[in-house]
Parts: sequence; C-alpha cells; structure tokens
Amino acid sequence: DGGITQSPKYLFRKEGQNVTLSCEQNLNHDAMYWYRQDPGQGLRLIYYSQIVNDFQKGDIAEGYSVSREKKESFPLTVTSAQKNPTAFYLCASSKISGMSYNEQFFGPGTRLTVL
Amino acid sequence: GESVGLHLPTLSVQEGDNSIINCAYSNSASDYFIWYKQESGKGPQFIIDIRSNMDKRQGQRVTVLLNKTVKHLSLQIAATQPGDSAVYFCAENGRGGSNYKLTFGKGTLLTVNP
Repeated sequence: DGGITQSPKYLFRKEGQNVTLSCEQNLNHDAMYWYRQDPGQGLRLIYYSQIVNDFQKGDIAEGYSVSREKKESFPLTVTSAQKNPTAFYLCASSKISGMSYNEQFFGPGTRLTVL
Repeated sequence: GESVGLHLPTLSVQEGDNSIINCAYSNSASDYFIWYKQESGKGPQFIIDIRSNMDKRQGQRVTVLLNKTVKHLSLQIAATQPGDSAVYFCAENGRGGSNYKLTFGKGTLLTVNP
C-alpha cells in the first residue's frame, strides 16, 4: 500500500530528553512537512522540505530539528529546548509540479506526552 | 495580516440533512484552497480542493464554493451521514511562487445526530 507512516503512535518523554519522531512515505513525493496540533487548534507548520538535503523553518521551528537525507524519510527531533512539546505531531507529503499546488497527504500522527 | 478562519466552531445536524461549513480568508493573493476532514486521533484526510480560477467544484456528496469578492469559502455536504462526524479544516496556500506551505484554520466540529 502507498502512503505515509509515522512511528511511534504514542511517545512519552521525560523533561530534558530529546526524542525523534519517524516519518516515511512511499508516494515518491518530493515535499514533506511536519505540523504540530494542539487540542482544539488547527495545524501549525514546524518544518518543511522540498528536496533532499534541504529544508526550511515553518512558523514554530524553535526547539525542533529535522533532516532529509533520503526522499522517503523526514524525521523530526523534539529537543529539550522545546518548552511545551506535548502535542499531536503530523507528517505530510505532497508532489511538486511546476507552479501548481497539490494536496498534502497526511500520516496517522504521533501523540507526544512529556511526563 | 494573513489568516484563515472559520465562522462556526461547531455544527450539529440531523442525519440526512445537508451541512454547510464556512471559512473566511484574508489574503487576497490566495489561489489554492483545500478542505480536510479529521477524525479523532487520526491524521487529516483530503476531501476536495479548488483553485482561484474556479467558483465551484463538486465531488462525491461534497461541493466547495469560492467567493473571491468577499474572500469566503464553504464546504457543502449532501445527505450528511453519521460517518461524516469529524473536524473539518480549510487551508489556503496562496503566496504564489514556489511556496508550498498551507495555512490552516482552527476547524469546525461537525456532529451528525441519528
């Protein structure tokens, strides 16, 4: 099946620890994205990448880091510098086709809780 | 400033009725709009999109209307079913060029009563 997978589904972290959330896609999409969702809120963009070995900060990048070593993978690290990391994290991917826009496909999400 | 918002945070309808979910945007340069459905604990699922050169687009039981004059977007769901209960988000990606960022609204919770 083609799609986006995220792991783990649930993640618990102690304060002061870094954690890495996995995102893999087999849709052959060039662009990948990380969003954060808080209860009753919309999605806020953390980082995005349009091509391998390149990525840009979104609206709330502080306390997060990413890498894009492979087209299929875009892991997100939540560092100890992120003051309020408890949230639902969503990964997405999309095609890039010239100047036209394409819908983003989302993974099932990872719920991170800081203990 | 740029923003995407929703008029109604919650909407409750009877099964079989039509539902209308509204969205306002403030960026007049917006040229692409998209609706997502998100069930509890899951990732958003694409419903339908529309580009600014269109006023209306229809899918299966859904219609999106775009009014660029008043910068308003709506999602109409025909014959609403219990399985349609979810949070619905609109998003826009209208900064032009090669910017592929989406800006999401806060969402509307749709509840379908049997």
